[in-house]
Amino acid sequence: EVQLQESGPGLVKPSQSLSLTCSVTGYSITSDYWGWIRKFPGNKMEWIGHISYSGSTNYNPSLKSRISITRDTSKNQFFLQLNSVTTEDTATYYCARYAVNYGGYDFWGQGVMVTVSS
Amino acid sequence: DIQMTQSPTSLAASVGESVTITCLASEDIYGSLVWYQQKPGKSPQLLIYGATILEDGIPSRFSGSGSDTQYSLKINSLQPEDFASYYCQNGSSTPWTFGGGTMLELK
Repeated sequence: EVQLQESGPGLVKPSQSLSLTCSVTGYSITSDYWGWIRKFPGNKMEWIGHISYSGSTNYNPSLKSRISITRDTSKNQFFLQLNSVTTEDTATYYCARYAVNYGGYDFWGQGVMVTVSS
Repeated sequence: DIQMTQSPTSLAASVGESVTITCLASEDIYGSLVWYQQKPGKSPQLLIYGATILEDGIPSRFSGSGSDTQYSLKINSLQPEDFASYYCQNGSSTPWTFGGGTMLELK
């Protein structure tokens, strides 16, 4: 079965960069699409972006200037970097597999809570 | 971006009742609508895709309907495990966008 696990620091200072790793087991990231989604306090959900089986990326325009999604196929991991964070980036960050046939995300990590605070 | 307006924001019901949650897209999403369930402390679970297609393993008391800009999720005969939050998601065009969520609570 496909399993995803996020890892990264739970606390980031304003203006710094947030870096998260998603480790995937049971499926190769050289197939399908792999995304990042976040859920804010107050429950709003926002799609951040994804990386495809070929390594191409698609980002939310609202974040495009600040984000980078990359991957390491040898480790079956993909990564999120979000630059110049503010307190408004405080959220739970999820990685997930995007199923093209579904138009949505069918396997999710458990999520990692990231707080931006000095 | 396609805006997804979900209602109600919260809903109280009893076990055995039926409830309906609606999602309105700001433009035609051609049936590309996904519903998720999320329980506290857990990640979202995909329930329905293509507006009407039940994901494997999801009980048949869940059903989806709709087209164009208007979509609904109906849960018949609520079970204790159904009390959770529900989200719709535009699957038509990026950026994928989500409804604001509906918290289904036990009355």
